[in-house]
Amino acid sequence: RKEVEQDPGPFNVPEGATVAFNCTYSNSASQSFFWYRQDCRKEPKLLMSVYSSGNEDGRFTAQLNRASQYISLLIRDSKLSDSATYLCVVNPQGGKLIFGQGTELSVKP
Amino acid sequence: EPEVTQTPSHQVTQMGQEVILRCVPISNHLYFYWYRQILGQKVEFLVSFYNNEISEKSEIFDDQFSVERPDGSNFTLKIRSTKLEDSAMYFCASSEAVGETQYFGPGTRLLVL
Repeated sequence: RKEVEQDPGPFNVPEGATVAFNCTYSNSASQSFFWYRQDCRKEPKLLMSVYSSGNEDGRFTAQLNRASQYISLLIRDSKLSDSATYLCVVNPQGGKLIFGQGTELSVKP
Repeated sequence: EPEVTQTPSHQVTQMGQEVILRCVPISNHLYFYWYRQILGQKVEFLVSFYNNEISEKSEIFDDQFSVERPDGSNFTLKIRSTKLEDSAMYFCASSEAVGETQYFGPGTRLLVL
């Protein structure tokens, strides 16, 4: 099983759509969880951390299910500027980040 | 807003040559990292560095790689004898503490010919 596994993409959605990304991780002792976004040929940028209680930041909602080792990201009312690759990232312990392959999102007018 | 910077943005080198990639982490951060991303693949951890020594390294980080903090601001990655398969984007990152958010620099695109 891959350390961090994400939905295969690409997701092509119209503006205003709601889109959900899923991610599973293999190390049950993992301590920190994040969603990063990466624009083409750019660095990963933190979108949001993911907390056990779930958290929301504007149009973005992240959920964590430790029992199922599952992380999700929901984007509501998607904008053209949301087009990017979304990276599920896990910190098993220590400082090392483990990245998923990423899911590409394309929002069309 | 403080940010991680990296130089050069692009580097082209011949196989077997040494390259040094440079990074200036965010000034109050204590933990530094290097990652790489081969074109079309996922971001991969190389090494973490704290208190002037390596904290953790991956299998990729073999004897041809080394890291150094030569002064109070720079953090470098040296590849001693580059191989074709070292061609990738190399990202530096830093964080205030272990497990905290890591902020990434814009990357150095390395091409080995």
